Amino acid sequence: AQSVAQPEDQVNVAEGNPLTVKCTYSVSGNPYLFWYVQYPNRGLQFLLKYITGDNLVKGSYGFEAEFNKSQTSFHLKKPSALVSDSALYFCAVRSALGSSASKIIFGSGTRLSIRP
Amino acid sequence: EAGVTQSPTHLIKTRGQQVTLRCSPISGHTSVYWYQQALGLGLQFLLWYDEGEERNRGNFPPRFSGRQFPNYSSELNVNALELEDSALYLCASRVDRGTDTQYFGPGTRLTVL
Repeated sequence: AQSVAQPEDQVNVAEGNPLTVKCTYSVSGNPYLFWYVQYPNRGLQFLLKYITGDNLVKGSYGFEAEFNKSQTSFHLKKPSALVSDSALYFCAVRSALGSSASKIIFGSGTRLSIRP
Repeated sequence: EAGVTQSPTHLIKTRGQQVTLRCSPISGHTSVYWYQQALGLGLQFLLWYDEGEERNRGNFPPRFSGRQFPNYSSELNVNALELEDSALYLCASRVDRGTDTQYFGPGTRLTVL
């Protein structure tokens, strides 16, 4: 069965410092991995995805994520946090195996808070 | 390019009533997904429609149902509303069949009193 875990409910970082939001996953076969961000009272916005190739994926708003197959992780990172990055972040996974009938599984979300 | 749209934005109902939520996908997208996001919780998958057919369903009771129209827009119906149905209901559409990248609408906030 597919699963995704975001072990931290909340991450607090000072503006200008690097940030990491953690995600680990479990799937059969190779994973497709995604990060989404949700601002208050808004829908989710797609940030980036890993399908294949380079383990470091760059996405919107200066975010990047590193795929680590041995640790089954896909942590979201940013070198220098902005107050405007404060939001709820969701990791999601889907197995590359099987038909497109398989669905994406979302993590429980991590609230990122950037203090000025 | 217009994004995924949902209506209404907000809705207040009472227990036992029925509600219909609507979603229009991005032009050219044939798949529509519905999710429930209750306060303080993550996204719970509800339903997936593709090419007018229900393809998959999450762990929700049968009073949650929906359909997809020939123009790929979709409705989510919830019958016999319960207090715990209060949530943000999100719709997403998909452009890439291979990888399932989904693009979300702004959601409908349903409050059940």
